[in-house]
Amino acid sequence: AQKVTQAQTEISVVEKEDVTLDCVYETRDTTYYLFWYKQPPSGELVFLIRRNSFDEQNEISGRYSWNFQKSTSSFNFTITASQVVDSAVYFCALSDSRDDKIIFGKGTRLHILP
Amino acid sequence: ETGVTQTPRHLVMGMTNKKSLKCEQHLGHNAMYWYKQSAKKPLELMFVYNFKEQTENNSVPSRFSPECPNSSHLFLHLHTLQPEDSALYLCASSPRLAGAKDTQYFGPGTRLTVL
Repeated sequence: AQKVTQAQTEISVVEKEDVTLDCVYETRDTTYYLFWYKQPPSGELVFLIRRNSFDEQNEISGRYSWNFQKSTSSFNFTITASQVVDSAVYFCALSDSRDDKIIFGKGTRLHILP
Repeated sequence: ETGVTQTPRHLVMGMTNKKSLKCEQHLGHNAMYWYKQSAKKPLELMFVYNFKEQTENNSVPSRFSPECPNSSHLFLHLHTLQPEDSALYLCASSPRLAGAKDTQYFGPGTRLTVL
């Protein structure tokens, strides 16, 4: 069965610090997709990234980077030099080829303190 | 307008009322979704529509009734709701069905309070 675990319920860091959000997933499929979404206080889920299971290359987009490790079934998200605008709830999600659903983790609430 | 829009953004209703939530996507997508987000639960998928046909009903109570008249519009009709139905209701769309092929794009949600 599919499962996504975001063990960190809430994190607070001071602005300009780096912060890593953890995501561990479970699937029996060899073909699957992983996602990260950001949910600011306005409520809308903003798509950040999608990776497929065959591409383990880490990705960097500005201050955001993602570390995909199949060996540990993890897809962690790092924000470098955090800013107050990064404050939001971040969701990791998984979908495999057996099912058209996306399974979301419970989310990590990130507070960036000025 | 661009992206996925939802109206109203906030709704307060009594348990005997009937109301409808509206979602519209301007992305040319063919699949649309309703999700429920409660305070202490993960996002729960409620319904999936693909090319106007319902392909998923995730054991949702009949007091929630979806309608998809075309690929751009999705409604959620509400009647005789319970206080525990208070939540953020999110609409999403994707080019085709989700997951293996396509990313879902979300609207801002409707914050529903049932008194």
